[in-house]
Amino acid sequence: EAQVTQNPRYLITVTGKKLTVTCSQNMNHEYMSWYRQDPGLGLRQIYYSMNVEVTDKGDVPEGYKVSRKEKRNFPLILESPSPNQTSLYFCASSLLQQANTGELFFGEGSRLTVL
Amino acid sequence: AQSVSQHNHHVILSEAASLELGCNYSYGGTVNLFWYVQYPGQHLQLLLKYFSGDPLVKGIKGFEAEFIKSKFSFNLRKPSVQWSDTAEYFCAVNAKGTYKYIFGTGTRLKVLA
Repeated sequence: EAQVTQNPRYLITVTGKKLTVTCSQNMNHEYMSWYRQDPGLGLRQIYYSMNVEVTDKGDVPEGYKVSRKEKRNFPLILESPSPNQTSLYFCASSLLQQANTGELFFGEGSRLTVL
Repeated sequence: AQSVSQHNHHVILSEAASLELGCNYSYGGTVNLFWYVQYPGQHLQLLLKYFSGDPLVKGIKGFEAEFIKSKFSFNLRKPSVQWSDTAEYFCAVNAKGTYKYIFGTGTRLKVLA
């Protein structure tokens, strides 16, 4: 089954404790992207990647890092989480030629709480 | 600044009522336009999209949207909603040739049976 898998789905952590949210897709997609969803703000793009070792900033990259060492994985790293990073995070992927056509496959989301 | 505005944050309708959700965008160049839907407990999925041509586009489940260039709008419509349309709806834009998306704040639709 084609899917985008995020882990963990739910996490409560404390300020400053490094964490990684993993995203993996099994569709051989070149394009992957991270979003955060906050009430009243909708989805905001954090980072995106067009292929292995090619990443770029979205609208809200501060406080986040990403890496794309393998095609299927695009982890989101919070080096020193802060309470304002409490949010619902979504990963999405697409074939590169469809990456700007809206044909994005979204994961089920990871709800992160930073105390 | 680039932005997408959705005017209605919460909408409550009875079954069979007509639906129109507003979306306006502010962007300096040519854009692709989208509506996504997020059903309770599920991930976002594409409802419909507009790239060019006929400004009235039809999507899945009886939804349609009209692009009005002069108003920078891309409103979503459905003539008769069903209880199963209860969901959150997001309007989004993507500048042509780029991989960045800007989403609106979303509209929560509740349809009463």
